[in-house]
Amino acid sequence: GDSVTQMEGPVTLSEEAFLTINCTYTATGYPSLFWYVQYPGEGLQLLLKATKADDKGSNKGFEATYRKETTSFHLEKGSVQVSDSAVYFCALITQGGSEKLVFGKGTKLTVNP
Amino acid sequence: EAQVTQNPRYLITVTGKKLTVTCSQNMNHEYMSWYRQDPGLGLRQIYYSMNVEVTDKGDVPEGYKVSRKEKRNFPLILESPSPNQTSLYFCASTARGRYGETQYFGPGTRLLVL
Repeated sequence: GDSVTQMEGPVTLSEEAFLTINCTYTATGYPSLFWYVQYPGEGLQLLLKATKADDKGSNKGFEATYRKETTSFHLEKGSVQVSDSAVYFCALITQGGSEKLVFGKGTKLTVNP
Repeated sequence: EAQVTQNPRYLITVTGKKLTVTCSQNMNHEYMSWYRQDPGLGLRQIYYSMNVEVTDKGDVPEGYKVSRKEKRNFPLILESPSPNQTSLYFCASTARGRYGETQYFGPGTRLLVL
C-alpha cells in the first residue's frame, strides 16, 4: 500500500540555521503531496502542497519540490526561527478517487534562540 | 470563517462508558474523515464519509462507529471505550479543487480512557 517515510526526529537547530526534513513516498498512481505542521497544543495546518511532478510548493519561507524520479518531497527552509518549532508531517493523497491522507510519522523540530 | 470544529477538546472517561466526539464543518464539503494520532505512529485514518449516509472503514476502525446524517456533521462514537483508545483525535474535511484535494483539520480532541 501507499506509504510515506520521513526522517526521524527530533531535530534541534539554532535560529537562522538551514532546515531540511527528508520525505520519500511509495504510491500507486500519481499522488498529491503535502506538508502539514502541528504547533504545540494545536491541530494540523496545511503548510504547502504539490500536485504533480516538478511542482514546488512554498509558504512562510518553506519550500518542497515534488521529485517523481526520486519519489521525494523534502521540506527546506533557508533560515529557521524559534516560532518554527513544531512537528512536521509529510503526507500524500493518491489521485483517482480516494481522499485518504497517508501520513509519515512526523518530525519534531526545535529551534533555539 | 471556514473551519472544522470538534467537541470536546479534552475528555477523561472510564472503560466502557459510551462517548461521542462531535465534528462539524461549515465549508459544505462532501468528504470527511477521522484520524487518531499516537506517538511514533503518526496519524491513521479511522473512518471516512464520502457524503451523507455514506461511510466506510479506514485503517483502524475497530472499536469506533460513525454516522453522517447531515453534510456538516460527522460524529465519532466509542460505544465501549478501552484504554488503548487513549489518543489524540482529529476530524478532517476535504476540499476538492482544481488543483486536487486539500484536507482541513479540526483542533483535535485529547481522550484519556482510564
